[in-house]
Amino acid sequence: DAGITQSPRHKVTETGTPVTLRCHQTENHRYMYWYRQDPGHGLRLIHYSYGVKDTDKGEVSDGYSVSRSKTEDFLLTLESATSSQTSVYFCAISEGGSGGSNTYEQYFGPGTRLTVT
Amino acid sequence: GNSVTQMEGPVTLSEEAFLTINCTYTATGYPSLFWYVQYPGEGLQLLLKATKADDKGSNKGFEATYRKETTSFHLEKGSVQVSDSAVYFCALTFWGAQKLVFGQGTRLTINP
Repeated sequence: DAGITQSPRHKVTETGTPVTLRCHQTENHRYMYWYRQDPGHGLRLIHYSYGVKDTDKGEVSDGYSVSRSKTEDFLLTLESATSSQTSVYFCAISEGGSGGSNTYEQYFGPGTRLTVT
Repeated sequence: GNSVTQMEGPVTLSEEAFLTINCTYTATGYPSLFWYVQYPGEGLQLLLKATKADDKGSNKGFEATYRKETTSFHLEKGSVQVSDSAVYFCALTFWGAQKLVFGQGTRLTINP
């Protein structure tokens, strides 16, 4: 299994509070991703990173920010949590083709279940 | 734009039944195609992949063939087990794109 951990695994927070989720990898992969999973929507990309300090928005980035100061860590921050951000959040990593041909598959962490009350 | 459409679930089968989960895609060009599986309470795991037309991906008794003419990548298994109960996602990406496009997922339940 790819070495990806997410913390915390479960969190309950109140509306309006800031929340930071952490993704940590031991694979030295270049690309890291944050997704949210909601019933009826599958997985939706929030933000991704293509290197240290290099990030870009996904399809549902409003209300979220990210940071990547080290190759192994990718942080997702909800500046002021809302009930619509209650979801399961998954981190993923990818070599992005740097490891050879056809290495675009992504490997996923175990997820963080976030509840905003 | 690029998109993936999966058959709607949930799908319920008896043990040892034949499984097909349909996946079709819309894409400009020739993507790589993937099936991911998500067991209850876990993250997604790569099940199999195919990177060019007529490639067959296989793993754990599951198979899928990349059909360019029908833009499809249907998942099949000849005899399912209770342990195959999970949500299955079809996805695509392009060389250099770095992002996956997922289908909505199909929940599969296998009854003993």
